[in-house]
Amino acid sequence: SQTIHQWPATLVQPVGSPLSLECTVEGTSNPNLYWYRQAAGRGLQLLFYSVGIGQISSEVPQNLSASRPQDRQFILSSKKLLLSDSGFYLCAWSDVDTQYFGPGTRLTVL
Amino acid sequence: AQSVSQHNHHVILSEAASLELGCNYSYGGTVNLFWYVQYPGQHLQLLLKYFSGDPLVKGIKGFEAEFIKSKFSFNLRKPSVQWSDTAEYFCAVNAGAGNNRKLIWGLGTSLAVNP
Repeated sequence: SQTIHQWPATLVQPVGSPLSLECTVEGTSNPNLYWYRQAAGRGLQLLFYSVGIGQISSEVPQNLSASRPQDRQFILSSKKLLLSDSGFYLCAWSDVDTQYFGPGTRLTVL
Repeated sequence: AQSVSQHNHHVILSEAASLELGCNYSYGGTVNLFWYVQYPGQHLQLLLKYFSGDPLVKGIKGFEAEFIKSKFSFNLRKPSVQWSDTAEYFCAVNAGAGNNRKLIWGLGTSLAVNP
């Protein structure tokens, strides 16, 4: 069966520091991969999605970037974090039509 | 633009009460419809989905949803809720074709069930 991992689970970073969140999927090949940010009362905001290695589409211009160096690895990065980057970040993968979510990373920028 | 509207932002029920959460979407073509649930401290998980066929879809834990095309709705129901149903519920729509499989999300409904 397929599983999706995200780490770290929680992260506290100072403003201006870099960020790297990692997501890996097991048990499937060539999945579509997604990064979301979830804010209370605001639902899920799609940040990036990828249909293959090296193929990244950005949904919202912002201080973040994403990369997919391997088929089942998806990384969310920032060179310099802002206070507004605080939030709950979710990674997801999809088969043909359904998305499945990881446990998420709670990021606090101080 | 495509959108998903969940009319109930916060719902409070007593155990054994019936539940109906509204979800409406705006898109005139073929859609795939989803309900996800997020229990406290847990990750989002799929509750049920509709792609085609019988518009009444049954999911896990006694939940069901009915797709009414003429009303652009996909309301979630459960005849008798339990305290363990306390969670955040999200409706989502996958509209159109293509390989990106993007979902349009509602803002979520927070359900609190009192024992």
